[in-house]
Amino acid sequence: GENVEQHPSTLSVQEGDSAVIKCTYSDSASNYFPWYKQELGKGPQLIIDIRSNVGEKKDQRIAVTLNKTAKHFSLHITETQPEDSAVYFCAASLAYTGNQFYFGTGTSLTVIP
Amino acid sequence: NAGVTQTPKFQVLKTGQSMTLQCAQDMNHEYMSWYRQDPGMGLRLIHYSVGAGITDQGEVPNGYNVSRSTTEDFPLRLLSAAPSQTSVYFCATNGGGGGYEQYFGPGTRLTVT
Repeated sequence: GENVEQHPSTLSVQEGDSAVIKCTYSDSASNYFPWYKQELGKGPQLIIDIRSNVGEKKDQRIAVTLNKTAKHFSLHITETQPEDSAVYFCAASLAYTGNQFYFGTGTSLTVIP
Repeated sequence: NAGVTQTPKFQVLKTGQSMTLQCAQDMNHEYMSWYRQDPGMGLRLIHYSVGAGITDQGEVPNGYNVSRSTTEDFPLRLLSAAPSQTSVYFCATNGGGGGYEQYFGPGTRLTVT
């Protein structure tokens, strides 16, 4: 099956700085890569996703890049704010086939005011 | 719309007891999944369903049963609870399988003593 690795496990940044979280995947057939944000005591919530036919996607301060050849994808958060503090998960799946998502182990991001 | 609801929010069981975690959704999604979340291990798929009457195993199915008699409900049964099943359990739905956004419930925190 698919194996998704995520780094770093913890990340502290000053407010206003950028944060980058990286994930690698093992199955070259995976073609859908979502990122989830989980706040304390809540379920994960999708913040951005990317499909394998796209190399980069942006949504305001959040961007995701995908390198299919190297099998890695990254989350970039610019101009970080204290409310960005949360745990972030990457995931990989095979679109249109079954319903199996494979998650990374999470990154706890702390934005220091 | 309530989205995805889970009950109970918290539960303590003794080893060997059985229980059912409830999950309901009002999003009319065909696809539903159960995950467990353990520290440092991300979310791992237990079982999933691609429609009423159809279920399949995920990464960590042992000790759990599911059934899907309606589109709305997807209960998870622990047959004989073990301390290793102490975890936070999340139910999720999505509209089209592996390439679609998942919507997560608020979770059930289960402790087995």
